[in-house]
This record gives sequence, structure tokens and C-alpha cells, in this order.
Amino acid sequence: GENVEQHPSTLSVQEGDSAVIKCTYSDSASNYFPWYKQELGKRPQLIIDIRSNVGEKKDQRIAVTLNKTAKHFSLHITETQPEDSAVYFCAAIPSGTGANNLFFGTGTRLTVIP
Amino acid sequence: SAVISQKPSRDICQRGTSLTIQCQVDSQVTMMFWYRQQPGQSLTLIATANQGSEATYESGFVIDKFPISRPNLTFSTLTVSNMSPEDSSIYLCSAWRADTGELFFGEGSRLTVL
Repeated sequence: GENVEQHPSTLSVQEGDSAVIKCTYSDSASNYFPWYKQELGKRPQLIIDIRSNVGEKKDQRIAVTLNKTAKHFSLHITETQPEDSAVYFCAAIPSGTGANNLFFGTGTRLTVIP
Repeated sequence: SAVISQKPSRDICQRGTSLTIQCQVDSQVTMMFWYRQQPGQSLTLIATANQGSEATYESGFVIDKFPISRPNLTFSTLTVSNMSPEDSSIYLCSAWRADTGELFFGEGSRLTVL
């Protein structure tokens, strides 16, 4: 089955700096890679996703890159703000298997210091 | 995004009792799931809720302990049976929309077993 590793487990950055979270996956058949943000006491919310037919996707200050050859994908947050502080989870899903095979990383606790 | 309503949002229960969590989705979705999230941990899939048939459980979870119902496309329940303090956790309902290929989460039910 799929194995998703996520690094770092914690990350502290100064407000305005960039933050990068990296994930690796093991199943080369995986083709959908979402990122979720979970604020304290709240539900995980989908913030961006990427599919295997593209290498990069951007939405304002958030971008995700995918390297299928190396089997890793990364979340990039630029110009960080205190409200970006949360736990971020990456996930991977093998092609054609449905969401019941969505494998989550262990999470990264991001703290943006004002 | 699909709106998912989950209740109760939190409860405190006595050891040996059972609690049923309800999940209502505002649009027809193809798949519904139940996750557990221990404090500070990632998301662990309990089972896939199948409409009109028995749920599909992941390794380590059994129907006697976590009976699940899904009488129609937009509603599901999870029961945590014969609870012990080890069952204290957040339980999250989620739904997969095939048209957008995205997984959405409910607000979660924080369960504390004394």
C-alpha cells in the first residue's frame, strides 16, 4: 500500500517569510495529492491539490509542486501571516482506487511568529 | 464545497456506554467515510460507509465496536460501542465528491470517555 512521509513535523517562521513542507510517497500509481489545513479545534480543510498531469499549481500565496520521478510533493506558503498557523496534512491517493485509499501524512505544525 | 453537518460536536460519556454520531451531507456524494484523530495525531480511516450495505472496515477496526449505517446517499451514523477511555478522540465524518474529486470533512465530534 501507499506510505506517505511528511517533514518537518514542526516549523516556525517569522511573519512574511516563506514556509515549505515536503511529502514523499511510495506508490508510483498515486495521482492525486491534496493538502489540508487544520486549525486548532477545527476540521481539516482542503486548501490546494494537484494531480499527476501537472507539476505545479498556485493559488495566491499557496503553491504545490509535484515531482513524480522522485515521488515527492511540496507545499509552499509565501508571505506567511499569523493566520497561517495551523497543522498541515498532505495526502496521496492511488489512481482509480477511490478516496478510501487516501493516505495522510503525519502532519506539520506551522507556527508563524508575528 | 460540500457542507457536512456532524453532531454531537462533543460529548462526555461514561465507560461502558455507547454513543452514536450523525453525519449529514448537503449534496449527493459517492462515498462517505469515518476517520479518527487522536490528539496531536494524523487522520486514521475507520471505515467506508456503504449505502444500504455493511461498511468496509480498515485493519484494527471492527463492526461490533464501530457499527456504521448509511441508509441513503447523504446520511451516515457511527456508533462507538462499549466505550473505554482509549476511545477518547475526535471522530470525523468525510465525504468524497466524484464530480470534483475532493474529500471534505465535517467539524468532528470530540468524545471524552471517563
